[in-house]
Amino acid sequence: KAGVTQTPRYLIKTRGQQVTLSCSPISGHRSVSWYQQTPGQGLQFLFEYFSETQRNKGNFPGRFSGRQFSNSRSEMNVSTLELGDSALYLCASSLGEDNSPLHFGNGTRLTVT
Amino acid sequence: AQKVTQAQTEISVVEKEDVTLDCVYETRDTTYYLFWYKQPPSGELVFLIRRNSFDEQNEISGRYSWNFQKSTSSFNFTITASQVVDSAVYFCALRPLFYNQGGKLIFGQGTELSVKP
Repeated sequence: KAGVTQTPRYLIKTRGQQVTLSCSPISGHRSVSWYQQTPGQGLQFLFEYFSETQRNKGNFPGRFSGRQFSNSRSEMNVSTLELGDSALYLCASSLGEDNSPLHFGNGTRLTVT
Repeated sequence: AQKVTQAQTEISVVEKEDVTLDCVYETRDTTYYLFWYKQPPSGELVFLIRRNSFDEQNEISGRYSWNFQKSTSSFNFTITASQVVDSAVYFCALRPLFYNQGGKLIFGQGTELSVKP
């Protein structure tokens, strides 16, 4: 069974630009969550989608948005990039039930210059 | 407030030594899940174990064992006879039992384990 796939693996963007990251969950998984990992703040929850609906949201500004498609694939968008958005963005999928563990992808390393 | 504390930032051991990674958590929820994840240099977080708050039974899986003590709000992880391949960053995490209570994982800051040959 294929794992969680995130594309691209690396991105370099300039301040003010926008970026879209993609995540393909494990087959059969209906929930996709996004996390930001930085050396200073550690791993922080961005949002979670279940059956194309945002079910939970973290404390990030509105520049961070996401969506989920009918095939459970998810995209995350960051607009008006800031230097502080440089991070490893991790996507995780699960069956979406209360006792389902999250399975993470390799992440997308975003560098904002 | 919910919080996970991994006081050990870095641990270095020699192969075949036993090592324990500490995890202390805070939550007002009476029901919750606790997790351990491993992050090798490739970046992917690898799921190791899930434990719910009403199951304090310790668990052993090969060289790995977990000690959950609700009375001290701790969920410690022990690697027996460590190997070089165990070198990674290990994260402890907390989550409410039900998704409608928030659904997010609260991670500790991680413990970087280095196992030297």
